[in-house]
Amino acid sequence: KQEVTQIPAALSVPEGENLVLNCSFTDSAIYNLQWFRQDPGKGLTSLLLIQSSQREQTSGRLNASLDKSSGRSTLYIAASQPGDSATYLCAALVQGAQKLVFGQGTRLTINP
Amino acid sequence: EPEVTQTPSHQVTQMGQEVILRCVPISNHLYFYWYRQILGQKVEFLVSFYNNEISEKSEIFDDQFSVERPDGSNFTLKIRSTKLEDSAMYFCASKWQGTADTQYFGPGTRLTVL
Repeated sequence: KQEVTQIPAALSVPEGENLVLNCSFTDSAIYNLQWFRQDPGKGLTSLLLIQSSQREQTSGRLNASLDKSSGRSTLYIAASQPGDSATYLCAALVQGAQKLVFGQGTRLTINP
Repeated sequence: EPEVTQTPSHQVTQMGQEVILRCVPISNHLYFYWYRQILGQKVEFLVSFYNNEISEKSEIFDDQFSVERPDGSNFTLKIRSTKLEDSAMYFCASKWQGTADTQYFGPGTRLTVL
């Protein structure tokens, strides 16, 4: 059974810093890994999707990497801004299934 | 940009009542999903739907739950007799076609069972 874990549960950094959010998964048999942003009481906004054959994806100040062999993905945020404050979720698409398996999220606070 | 929409945004109901949560997926998408998130917990998969039938469901999705695509645009989740523990945010998602395509999520319906 696939388990997805995100550490830390919460992170607070000053504005302007570069930061890394971590995601680990127990079963390397995944189709892809997706990173989401969730604002309080709101839905899930897809940020980046990395296919199992890819090593990384970039969108603006965001860069996500995937290492299937070690069961890890990271989300790198460059030059953080207060507007980046949100909960970031990673989710793995399990091979042989249609479902995304989510981590519990990292609640990120960027302090002005 | 096309997006998944959900109604209502918040539903309050009494225990034992039936509720129907509605979703309009992105128009050319073929795969549809329901997930839920109990407050403070992980987002959990409930059910996937393709070609007018359930393709996969979780242990949570018992006989009290059903899904339907009544027309070409709506996708609904029905809970027949709500329980207190059904209180959660329910998310609808849709995907175009490929197995590894991005799933796009709606804004969610917050269900409160009293």
